[in-house]
Amino acid sequence: QLVLTQSPSASASLGASVKLTCTLSSGHSSYAIAWHQQQPEKGPRYLMKLNSDGSHSKGDGIPDRFSGSSSGAERYLTISSLQSEDEADYYCQTWGTVNWVFGGGTKLTVL
Amino acid sequence: EVQLVESGGGLVQPGGSLRLSCAASGFTFSNYEMNWVRQAPGKGLEWVSYISSSGSTIYYADSLKGRFTISRDNAKNSLYLQMNSLRAEDTAVYYCARDGAPYSSGWFDSWGQGTLVTVSS
Repeated sequence: QLVLTQSPSASASLGASVKLTCTLSSGHSSYAIAWHQQQPEKGPRYLMKLNSDGSHSKGDGIPDRFSGSSSGAERYLTISSLQSEDEADYYCQTWGTVNWVFGGGTKLTVL
Repeated sequence: EVQLVESGGGLVQPGGSLRLSCAASGFTFSNYEMNWVRQAPGKGLEWVSYISSSGSTIYYADSLKGRFTISRDNAKNSLYLQMNSLRAEDTAVYYCARDGAPYSSGWFDSWGQGTLVTVSS
């Protein structure tokens, strides 16, 4: 079964960096994912598509502070030089043959 | 600029029906596969349904059990979700989302602002 696992919460200080993790279920380590950001009271916003080899393509207007990387079944989103507006929920998303799956989301707090 | 604008949400009684619409602009709608995604209050994102660019292929989340019907009108650049036999657990913000590449299915690269559906007596 295709499942994405994310930690419920993360925190980091203003100006620092943070690395969020999304883990693919067993047998799905080759899958690409997408990262989406959802700021409070807003709709989701596409950040990037991230492949298993770590290559990624970002959405229009996404700052260079956002980057992605991969290792095995883990997919990472790194945000550097944290700003207050980065405080949001972050969701990873992937897809199978007939289904699309979201991780449970990570709530990022900027201290 | 890609724009997706949902409408049609509102308050409906359990067992009732509602039809959501998503108006698309800024891209060639007929080239893209589309999806509906929902988010219950305080919860995460849940994929609801997919429709191919031509409308010939459709998928639904297992949890819907045949109560929802997705459709599209490429001449009107519009996506629809017909929701029947609504339950309290269908209460959510419903988003339309575009697939990330023409004639391709996978990641979502554009989202609407959402429309709230509340199922309550």
